[in-house]
Amino acid sequence: AQSVAQPEDQVNVAEGNPLTVKCTYSVSGNPYLFWYVQYPNRGLQFLLKYITGDNLVKGSYGFEAEFNKSQTSFHLKKPSALVSDSALYFCAVRGGNTGGFKTIFGAGTRLFVKA
Amino acid sequence: GAVVSQHPSWVICKSGTSVKIECRSLDFQATTMFWYRQFPKQSLMLMATSNEGSKATYEQGVEKDKFLINHASLTLSTLTVTSAHPEDSSFYICSARGNREAGNTIYFGEGSWLTVV
Repeated sequence: AQSVAQPEDQVNVAEGNPLTVKCTYSVSGNPYLFWYVQYPNRGLQFLLKYITGDNLVKGSYGFEAEFNKSQTSFHLKKPSALVSDSALYFCAVRGGNTGGFKTIFGAGTRLFVKA
Repeated sequence: GAVVSQHPSWVICKSGTSVKIECRSLDFQATTMFWYRQFPKQSLMLMATSNEGSKATYEQGVEKDKFLINHASLTLSTLTVTSAHPEDSSFYICSARGNREAGNTIYFGEGSWLTVV
């Protein structure tokens, strides 16, 4: 079965500093990996995805993520955090041999960016 | 671009009544739609996979008689919470899978808040 782990409930970072939100996954076969952001009382906004190709994926709002197959990780990064980046971030996985099109989400990591 | 619309955005209903939430794919056909629920400060939990013209596939632990899913057309899936109770209060989110031409991309709706009083 596919699964996603986000080991940090919360990440705190000062504005202007780089940020990393961690994600590891478990899936049989080749994964499709995603990052979404959720603002309070809102639905999900797509940030970026990895399907194949370059391990470094660039997405919306200056975010990027690096796919590391050996470590089964897909950490979300941004070189310089903004206060407006404060939100709830979800890593998700889809695919693999048995996953089909189901998207399974991690528990979420709350990002706080202090001015 | 492709959009998934949910209606209503929020609804309050009395305990014991049923409430229907609609999920529509705009500008694309969705053979598969997914329903999730999200409790406050928690992750999204997949409830069921809805395929057009066939019965929904429910995840383990989800009561199919309580959460009725109908996917009558390629652009519409509905989730009906029957005999709602306060513990059913949650944020319900649907997603829709575009066809192969659309890269099988999955698009999420904005979610529907259900409060059962």
